[in-house]
Amino acid sequence: QVQLQESGPGLVKPSETLSLTCTVSGGSISSYYWSWIRQPAGKGLEWIGRIYTSGSTNYNPSLKSRVTMSVDTSKNQFSLKLSSVTAADTAVYYCARAGWFGTNWFDPWGQGTLVTVSS
Amino acid sequence: QSALTQPASVSGSPGQSITISCTGTSSDVGSYNLVSWYQQHPGKAPKLMIYEVSKRPSGVSNRFSGSKSGNTASLTISGLQAEDEADYYCCSYAGSSSRFGGGTKLTVL
Repeated sequence: QVQLQESGPGLVKPSETLSLTCTVSGGSISSYYWSWIRQPAGKGLEWIGRIYTSGSTNYNPSLKSRVTMSVDTSKNQFSLKLSSVTAADTAVYYCARAGWFGTNWFDPWGQGTLVTVSS
Repeated sequence: QSALTQPASVSGSPGQSITISCTGTSSDVGSYNLVSWYQQHPGKAPKLMIYEVSKRPSGVSNRFSGSKSGNTASLTISGLQAEDEADYYCCSYAGSSSRFGGGTKLTVL
């Protein structure tokens, strides 16, 4: 079965760029959308965006100016970059498979990785 | 981009049924049959419970069901069990983006 694993720095300084990678195992990354979703401690889920294996992207309008997603099909990986981070970007970041065109579900999810923004 | 509206908390006794509402607008819930629901236990990643308003993924108990009327989607859990105690989130397609609800904490009394 498909499994996802997030990786990247757990601590990022304010104003710098947060960079995370999600590695997909147990199946091909092709022909699906893949998403990033975050959750500040004690709060709800926030959709960050999604990327198709062609490289086509959709981003949360509230984050669009700071978000860049990319995909590397040869490595079965997709990535997230969030620029100009502040303390408000401190959260657990999840990657998830996001279905295909015309759907809106996330399954499975990675275990999540905590990213703290602090100097 | 406002979150969908869910009650902060609901509770029920074992064996009872509860319903969690998820209210959006004509730009999201009301326009698309693309509402999904997630269960999240403390410290764990969310788990898909319902997709496309009322469909259950393989392996999800038939005690979980979903529906929609107008701008409001609902998740019903019947025959409540202690293991159902968790946070629940709805999510709707909103035209090239997705939008989550604020989450509902279910307490099994």
